[in-house]
Amino acid sequence: EAQVTQNPRYLITVTGKKLTVTCSQNMNHEYMSWYRQDPGLGLRQIYYSMNVEVTDKGDVPEGYKVSRKEKRNFPLILESPSPNQTSLYFCASSLEGAPGNTIYFGEGSWLTVV
Amino acid sequence: AQRVTQPEKLLSVFKGAPVELKCNYSYSGSPELFWYVQYSRQRLQLLLRHISRESIKGFTADLNKGETSFHLKKPFAQEEDSAMYYCALSPLVSGGYQKVTFGIGTKLQVIP
Repeated sequence: EAQVTQNPRYLITVTGKKLTVTCSQNMNHEYMSWYRQDPGLGLRQIYYSMNVEVTDKGDVPEGYKVSRKEKRNFPLILESPSPNQTSLYFCASSLEGAPGNTIYFGEGSWLTVV
Repeated sequence: AQRVTQPEKLLSVFKGAPVELKCNYSYSGSPELFWYVQYSRQRLQLLLRHISRESIKGFTADLNKGETSFHLKKPFAQEEDSAMYYCALSPLVSGGYQKVTFGIGTKLQVIP
């Protein structure tokens, strides 16, 4: 089944404790992104990647890192999480080529930083 | 810069009533517009896109370039339509990465 898989789905962590949210897609998509979803603010892009070893900042990159060593994986790293990073995070992928490609989303990762 | 505005955070309608979820955009070039839907405890998924000119689950959306709008409509709301709806915009350009901008979302609540 074609899908985007992210883990963990739910996580409670403490301020300053590094964590990684993994993301994997099996559709051979070139593009991958991370979004955070917050009430009243909608979906905001954190980082995106156009291909292996090619990443760039989205709208709200502060406090986050990403890497794209393999085409299928795009982990999101919080080096020193803070309470304002408590949010619902979505990984997404899309295919290069046609204009305005459909984005495929993961199921989301609920992160709470205390 | 590209921007998407969804003026209503919450829209409540009775079952069987017409639904219109508003979306306005700002973009200097040619846009591609989308509606994504998120049902309770599920991932976001594409509902429909302008370029396909299709009707999905009874929903339609027409791009009005004069009013820069892409409102989502359904003549008769059903309880299973209750969800969060996001309008999104992408430049209609071939090749390369095209940023997708989302609105803040509108929660549709269909009252039985």
